[in-house]
Amino acid sequence: NAGVTQTPKFRVLKTGQSMTLLCAQDMNHEYMYWYRQDPGMGLRLIHYSVGEGTTAKGEVPDGYNVSRLKKQNFLLGLESAAPSQTSVYFCASTRQHPVAGYEQYFGPGTRLTVT
Amino acid sequence: GQQVMQIPQYQHVQEGEDFTTYCNSSTTLSNIQWYKQRPGGHPVFLIQLVKSGEVKKQKRLTFQFGEAKKNSSLHITATQTTDVGTYFCAGEAGAQKLVFGQGTRLTINP
Repeated sequence: NAGVTQTPKFRVLKTGQSMTLLCAQDMNHEYMYWYRQDPGMGLRLIHYSVGEGTTAKGEVPDGYNVSRLKKQNFLLGLESAAPSQTSVYFCASTRQHPVAGYEQYFGPGTRLTVT
Repeated sequence: GQQVMQIPQYQHVQEGEDFTTYCNSSTTLSNIQWYKQRPGGHPVFLIQLVKSGEVKKQKRLTFQFGEAKKNSSLHITATQTTDVGTYFCAGEAGAQKLVFGQGTRLTINP
């Protein structure tokens, strides 16, 4: 099993450009999340999904959109990138099972720089 | 909204010394999780605590969940260079969401 994978690993954008980050998991997990990590800020939730076809806003959703058309994929879109969106983006998934556990499995991250 | 505060932000120790990081929530938590992130890596799950006053051990790591389920701690005995990284606590915020603390970055002088 590959676990959680993210594409791309690195990206440099110019202000105003758009892009989509792809997250894929092969563990058949229902729940998927997008976080951003900035120095000294920990991990902040952008959007999340509790199942195929559903999405919800997290703590810092402005400037981002998401889609979960397939259970295994969770896409994060930046419509018009801004320098404030320079960050490391992590995708995570979890089974949220009362017996198997609630741990989140994280992807390797995407380092995004907006100039 | 719910906030999870973690202290200290940084900790530098000599190899062999003990290390503790503390986590405090503004609200009662249903459970708390701990993650470790190595430099340049991604967070990796360590443990979940659910019960009030729960204490769990993983080799040299001891995790505690407060009686009021609003605070938690991670204690590492006799640190080793492999313990280097950032340790995060994360509290369940309902609707299957976690709120992460800011993390404690541990560096070790060999």
